[in-house]
Amino acid sequence: EVQLVESGGALVQPGGSLRLSCTASGFTFNDYALHWVRQVPGKGLEWVAGISWQGHSVGYGDSVKGRCTISRDNAKNSLYLQMDSLRAEDTALYYCAKDNLFRGYFDSSSHWDHWGQGIVVTVSS
Amino acid sequence: DIVMTQSPESLAVSLGERATINCKSSQSVFYNSNNKNYLAWYQQKPGQPPKLLIYLASTRESGVPDRFSASGSGTDFTLTISSLQAEDVAVYYCQQYYTIPRTFGQGTKVEIK
Repeated sequence: EVQLVESGGALVQPGGSLRLSCTASGFTFNDYALHWVRQVPGKGLEWVAGISWQGHSVGYGDSVKGRCTISRDNAKNSLYLQMDSLRAEDTALYYCAKDNLFRGYFDSSSHWDHWGQGIVVTVSS
Repeated sequence: DIVMTQSPESLAVSLGERATINCKSSQSVFYNSNNKNYLAWYQQKPGQPPKLLIYLASTRESGVPDRFSASGSGTDFTLTISSLQAEDVAVYYCQQYYTIPRTFGQGTKVEIK
């Protein structure tokens, strides 16, 4: 069974930093691209960042570009999102999602077949 | 960015009746070279992450009940629940994966009348 478990969420002051983690099991982690998606409570879904199966290719949404860094450690079956210069508008539930395409890139035209339960990030003074 | 617009924002349907959700993209998500539409539908129940229902505009994900069906091509798509069950109460999102950034519709809330 595929499982994605996010961690690292916290209450952070504006301007602060946070690193989210997503630990995966139930599939061959290093064969699939992965993504971070966020959702403001009661609102819609926003793609944050994606990373290819090898980790060599990454992409970001405009709202986080230059402030966030996505990475992965295939030896640890883990995905990360380093978030810097946090703003109030970054407050959201953050999900990691697994791409369906075998050995795909973050921009491969592939749907997402599994999501984690999400982790809350709150940016407030 | 491709803007995804869903309608209606919410709908209330009696148990056993049909529910229909529309999704329109601001540009085509149809890839000519392979005749595929890069459009997915997700279901999100309260307190849960989104769950994949449909991909490639009309292909049901494994395990999804056949009362869920979807159609459309290019810029106009539809998700249909043929006979609404209590467990189908949720918010439904369409998503394009034709290009980056991946974008979602604003969601359609389905409730029981």
